[in-house]
Amino acid sequence: NAGVMQNPRHLVRRRGQEARLRCSPMKGHSHVYWYRQLPEEGLKFMVYLQKENIIDESGMPKERFSAEFPKEGPSILRIQQVVRGDSAAYFCASSPEAGDETQYFGPGTRLLVL
Amino acid sequence: ELKVEQNPLFLSMQEGKNYTIYCNYSTTSDRLYWYRQDPGKSLESLFVLLSNGAVKQEGRLMASLDTKARLSTLHITAAVHDLSATYFCAVDSAGGTSYGKLTFGQGTILTVHP
Repeated sequence: NAGVMQNPRHLVRRRGQEARLRCSPMKGHSHVYWYRQLPEEGLKFMVYLQKENIIDESGMPKERFSAEFPKEGPSILRIQQVVRGDSAAYFCASSPEAGDETQYFGPGTRLLVL
Repeated sequence: ELKVEQNPLFLSMQEGKNYTIYCNYSTTSDRLYWYRQDPGKSLESLFVLLSNGAVKQEGRLMASLDTKARLSTLHITAAVHDLSATYFCAVDSAGGTSYGKLTFGQGTILTVHP
């Protein structure tokens, strides 16, 4: 059973470009969570999705950021018009059921905005 | 707003010694998680504590949960170099219907010296 997969692992963008981060949950997991880790800090919750639904996006910046988890294919975190402050590691986690199981984290995408 | 605080934030230990990392949180929750992160890597699940008084042990690590005191501890016994990493506690913060929205502590950077 492959773990949570994220790609790309490293992404370099210039200010103003778009970043698209992809996450494939573990097989059988229908709950996906995105977290952001700024340098030297802990992880901060961004958004929780189930297939075709955003359940909680309370941690997501109101502008430029969006997330989806379509019926087919990976979950996508999209950042439009990136700024230097978006440079961080973005982790995706998945779980089979919400709350009663631990979350399994992917390897992360490290975004660098020049 | 849920706050999760770990201490110490930095811990330098000699091999063979014992020490405890503390995790305090500010609102009621009965689900607490401990993760390990190596530099540049993802998070590895160590323990899931789901009830008051829960105690779990794996090798040289033991975690406990006191929901009344809103405190979890991660005890390290006879430290070895391989335990050097950053350790995070995380609390499920969705409230009465916990669904896996985790709030993380700042992390404790553990360095074990010979």
